[in-house]
Amino acid sequence: EIVLTQSPGTLSLSPGDRAALSCRASQSLSNNYLTWYQQKAGQAPRLLIYGASSRASGIPDRFSGSGSGTDFTLTISRLEPEDVAVYYCQHLGTGLTFGGGTRVEIK
Amino acid sequence: DVQLLESGGGLVQPGGSLRLSCLASGFTFSNSVMGWVRQAPGKRLEWVSVISADGRTAFYADYVKGRFTFSRDNSVDTLYLQMNSLRAEDTAVYYCVKELAGSGWAFDSWGQGTLVTVST
Repeated sequence: EIVLTQSPGTLSLSPGDRAALSCRASQSLSNNYLTWYQQKAGQAPRLLIYGASSRASGIPDRFSGSGSGTDFTLTISRLEPEDVAVYYCQHLGTGLTFGGGTRVEIK
Repeated sequence: DVQLLESGGGLVQPGGSLRLSCLASGFTFSNSVMGWVRQAPGKRLEWVSVISADGRTAFYADYVKGRFTFSRDNSVDTLYLQMNSLRAEDTAVYYCVKELAGSGWAFDSWGQGTLVTVST
């Protein structure tokens, strides 16, 4: 089963900064079923990106996804205070796996 | 608006059983692949099960296979997760989720979650 490793564990940035969150797969993905979620404290996750790079409905365009093979990135182009959350990647292969998450904080 | 309302969580002893329900509204339920995702306190998300739109096929994570049964009743827009032989490690918030059609199990709607606690 593919393992997804997210880094860094915590990202502390200032408002307006660019944030790059990494999701690395233990082997090359045979499909592009790579998904990103945002989970704010005490809330259910929210879908941000599916198919590695397609933005979900209602998601601001400062969120973008990229990557292929084993390396995927979620980029927040201009960080806003409301982006404080934990971000998870997910992949559908033989089963469904989630990464361990990256916590984004505001300095 | 899409709404997913879970119920049935609570405290149960190890080895016990619990049935979760999820009432869906605001979309064509019978056309949608649905699932359950759980999250233990302070831990990562973890998938539990996914069911086809017609209810004929359910997929399970290895750690619940043989103990959990996922079903749906499209006549009342409701999902059911029967959980037997519960273990302490099943303690988590259980979320009912809806797949974004054709996305490879990307879940675009989530319920508020229901807490299951397995403990003596």
